[in-house]
Amino acid sequence: KAGVTQTPRYLIKTRGQQVTLSCSPISGHRSVSWYQQTPGQGLQFLFEYFSETQRNKGNFPGRFSGRQFSNSRSEMNVSTLELGDSALYLCASTSGGSGNTIYFGEGSWLTVV
Amino acid sequence: AQSVTQPDIHITVSEGASLELRCNYSYGATPYLFWYVQSPGQGLQLLLKYFSGDTLVQGIKGFEAEFKRSQSSFNLRKPSVHWSDAAEYFCAVVPPNDYKLSFGAGTTVTVRA
Repeated sequence: KAGVTQTPRYLIKTRGQQVTLSCSPISGHRSVSWYQQTPGQGLQFLFEYFSETQRNKGNFPGRFSGRQFSNSRSEMNVSTLELGDSALYLCASTSGGSGNTIYFGEGSWLTVV
Repeated sequence: AQSVTQPDIHITVSEGASLELRCNYSYGATPYLFWYVQSPGQGLQLLLKYFSGDTLVQGIKGFEAEFKRSQSSFNLRKPSVHWSDAAEYFCAVVPPNDYKLSFGAGTTVTVRA
């Protein structure tokens, strides 16, 4: 069974631009969550979607948004990019219930210049 | 405040020696507990998890972890380390009835020949 797939793996953007990252969960998983990893802040939760509804949101500005489609695939968008948005963005999927195993993708490396 | 603590930022161990990584959590109720490993440039790979039952949990790659409720700890161990175990290790929790992972700061493991 295929794992969590994230695209693109690497990208470079300029300050002020916007970016969209994509995530395909493990087949059958209905929950997708996103995390940001930086050297300074570590791993931080961005948001979680289940059946196209946002169930949880982390403490990030409104420039960070996401959505989930009916096939459980998810996208996250960051608008008006800042240098501090440079990070590894990780997507994770689970079947949906609290306490289920959470599996991660390889991540999308975003560099903002 | 709810937190996950990994007291050791960096551990160096000789190949063939044993390894123990510490993790403590501070939550009202016992959360679901996870250990993940991250190799450079990669996503997070699940090593093992504890939801309930036997407090000694076996995982992949020869790792095990012991849950101790009285100490609010979930320490990761490996009897004999291989050079390929050099990586960063993260302890993470999901509180009951929640859907997001909260991570410790991570422990970097260096393996010397």
